[in-house]
Amino acid sequence: SQQGEEDPQALSIQEGENATMNCSYKTSINNLQWYRQNSGRGLVHLILIRSNEREKHSGRLRVTLDTSKKSSSLLITASRAADTASYFCATVDQGGKLIFGQGTELSVKP
Amino acid sequence: DAGITQSPRHKVTETGTPVTLRCHQTENHRYMYWYRQDPGHGLRLIHYSYGVKDTDKGEVSDGYSVSRSKTEDFLLTLESATSSQTSVYFCAISEIAGAVSGNTIYFGEGSWLTVV
Repeated sequence: SQQGEEDPQALSIQEGENATMNCSYKTSINNLQWYRQNSGRGLVHLILIRSNEREKHSGRLRVTLDTSKKSSSLLITASRAADTASYFCATVDQGGKLIFGQGTELSVKP
Repeated sequence: DAGITQSPRHKVTETGTPVTLRCHQTENHRYMYWYRQDPGHGLRLIHYSYGVKDTDKGEVSDGYSVSRSKTEDFLLTLESATSSQTSVYFCAISEIAGAVSGNTIYFGEGSWLTVV
């Protein structure tokens, strides 16, 4: 069964706009990670946030984590056409198992 | 890019035939994983290995077996392929268990398998 559930399933925006994707999960986690997948390619790790952290930044990426609500969000600021991809959240439980959500397909139009 | 090579990258096979997918890494990472990716299901863990000859089941292991005789190679075998095993298969590696304590998991480029 899926641990992380992403919302929305698909998102279409214009270049320069911000993109926000949300992830909800069900059980206690050690950390939560976001991955990116370009069409026909493997997944690439973007950012990790630990359970005791609330916010983390990496370049144009901002991730928040609310353990009380069991949710996380990924914000991509000033989006570019090259950001078009699928984005997955993945939760890591205390045993180290990595479980992925179904992903959000982001389309950034030039 | 992490040194992960999956082979074959694309394969079409008939129902009932055995199929083996190979994952080869050059990073000397201890942990290796096989995932399958299907629309509406994200990535699901099939099997993983935490060392040579040490493997364990994931959430969708039925119909699959694995072997790891060398650190660098992790084989996924479909003993008798079925149409429900048509999927994209990803190998992944990590230095330590899962992704605890910030360890990153690196993914291969995927193997597209079609069972007809």
